[in-house]
Amino acid sequence: QKEVEQDPGPLSVPEGAIVSLNCTYSNSAFQYFMWYRQYSRKGPELLMYTYSSGNKEDGRFTAQVDKSSKYISLFIRDSQPSDSATYLCAMSAGNNDMRFGAGTRLTVKP
Amino acid sequence: EPEVTQTPSHQVTQMGQEVILRCVPISNHLYFYWYRQILGQKVEFLVSFYNNEISEKSEIFDDQFSVERPDGSNFTLKIRSTKLEDSAMYFCASSESASDQPQHFGDGTRLSIL
Repeated sequence: QKEVEQDPGPLSVPEGAIVSLNCTYSNSAFQYFMWYRQYSRKGPELLMYTYSSGNKEDGRFTAQVDKSSKYISLFIRDSQPSDSATYLCAMSAGNNDMRFGAGTRLTVKP
Repeated sequence: EPEVTQTPSHQVTQMGQEVILRCVPISNHLYFYWYRQILGQKVEFLVSFYNNEISEKSEIFDDQFSVERPDGSNFTLKIRSTKLEDSAMYFCASSESASDQPQHFGDGTRLSIL
């Protein structure tokens, strides 16, 4: 089983839709969970950062972590064409070694 | 907003040559990192650096690679005897602390080995 699994998509939604992005993982030592957004030819841009289980909301973005199921999610409400990008989940055990998912390519159509 | 800057944005090098990729981390950050992303693949951790020494490294980071903080602002990745398979995007990142603060990334250097 891969350490971090993420469906690469592509995912295409109409403008205004709610987007759900997910990752599963196998390493129970992971405690810190991140979502990054990556535009073409750019570096990963931090969107959400959570510690342990629970929900975190920031504007149109909500991150959820379920450590019991080893499952994390990112929800985007009222999606916009400018949200079109690749979304990367990432996680670490707090030891500097951050592991990334493969990234999900999202397109929001006007 | 403070950002991590990387130079050059694109580096083309002949196989067997040495390259140095440069990064200026965010000024109050203490932890520095290099990652690699081969085209179409995952972002992969290479090395972390704190207090002028390597704190973690992956199996990818072998004797071909080295890192250095030559002065108070720059953080460099040196790749010796480059191979075709070293062609990738190389991202530098920095963070305030090792675990409870997130890493912030630069826009990367695209390394092309011919």
